[in-house]
Amino acid sequence: SQQGEEDPQALSIQEGENATMNCSYKTSINNLQWYRQNSGRGLVHLILIRSNEREKHSGRLRVTLDTSKKSSSLLITASRAADTASYFCATAPTDSWGKLQFGAGTQVVVTP
Amino acid sequence: KAGVTQTPRYLIKTRGQQVTLSCSPISGHRSVSWYQQTPGQGLQFLFEYFSETQRNKGNFPGRFSGRQFSNSRSEMNVSTLELGDSALYLCASNTGTGVDEQFFGPGTRLTVL
Repeated sequence: SQQGEEDPQALSIQEGENATMNCSYKTSINNLQWYRQNSGRGLVHLILIRSNEREKHSGRLRVTLDTSKKSSSLLITASRAADTASYFCATAPTDSWGKLQFGAGTQVVVTP
Repeated sequence: KAGVTQTPRYLIKTRGQQVTLSCSPISGHRSVSWYQQTPGQGLQFLFEYFSETQRNKGNFPGRFSGRQFSNSRSEMNVSTLELGDSALYLCASNTGTGVDEQFFGPGTRLTVL
């Protein structure tokens, strides 16, 4: 079963616009991670935010985490066509090692 | 540092056959996790191996098994293949000593006919 629910399922924007996607989860977590996947290939790690952090930045990415609401958001600023991909949130439960629970993903299309 | 490698990249099998997939983690990583990705179920955790021992297991039938060797390379085996086993199988490696990011391989695309 999947831990996270992501919203929206799909997002279509133009280059230069910002893209925001949300993730909700159910159990206690050690951290929450965001991954990107291009066309059925392997996953690329984007950013990790620990349960005691509220916000984190990496380049054009900004992630927030609200453990009281069990939710997270990923913001991609100034989108580029190369950002077209599926984005997944994944939670690392407090009681498991090496086991990530993924959401269903948000498919993002950035048109030039 | 070389990334995670998976072999083969593509595989076609028929129902009832068995298959073995291989994963070589990043040098120095001792944890290897396996995931199945399908359009219907998404990404699901299969199992994780650390230092040749299965440390975590997902909710998959016993037809799915794995092992890890002393050099941390891991294999996953699926016996008596079913049509529903068609999927992208991803492995990921991690140092295994902390709950941190996992580095994924390109995956093995298995098609069961």
